[in-house]
Amino acid sequence: GQNIDQPTEMTATEGAIVQINCTYQTSGFNGLFWYQQHAGEAPTFLSYNVLDGLEEKGRFSSFLSRSKGYSYLLLKELQMKDSASYLCAVMDSNYQLIWGAGTKLIIKP
Amino acid sequence: IAGITQAPTSQILAAGRRMTLRCTQDMRHNAMYWYRQDLGLGLRLIHYSNTAGTTGKGEVPDGYSVSRANTDDFPLTLASAVPSQTSVYFCAVGSGTNTGELFFGEGSRLTVL
Repeated sequence: GQNIDQPTEMTATEGAIVQINCTYQTSGFNGLFWYQQHAGEAPTFLSYNVLDGLEEKGRFSSFLSRSKGYSYLLLKELQMKDSASYLCAVMDSNYQLIWGAGTKLIIKP
Repeated sequence: IAGITQAPTSQILAAGRRMTLRCTQDMRHNAMYWYRQDLGLGLRLIHYSNTAGTTGKGEVPDGYSVSRANTDDFPLTLASAVPSQTSVYFCAVGSGTNTGELFFGEGSRLTVL
């Protein structure tokens, strides 16, 4: 079966750096996506990786290793507004998105 | 800028009743999707439409139906609601057929008693 694993919850301190990991087992691979979802709101797109390596976008970076079935989202200079759930999703060989359950990130002052 | 509008925002429904969740976009994107989100689970695809006039089944289509008469509207119907359909429903649109960059509506919280 297809599976996306990410930690249920993480806690970090304002101003610090946090890394949210995602491992996947899917039938085929056509890209990995990270979304942010604040409580009670809709998910919003953060990043996309299809090749191995690091994609940087401001304070957020996303890394992919296809051979390991592994990605991480790196958040730098954490702000209170970064408190949210972060969803990892993989597009399989049928171009369907398979979603992880999300990682709830709690930022403490 | 509206983007994607879902209605209703929230609804409590008796089991056995019929319910239609509405989704309208003004982004002129071809691909549209309906997901449900339940605590502890990832988003699950119910139905999708790659373009007006076509629809397809997702991971959890049973008990739901959709139609796509035009580009802008993609309603989701529960013919006879059951308590297991209590969930938050998100409509999403994609700029291309095979893109994972989706834009989501604000969601419809449905409770079936």
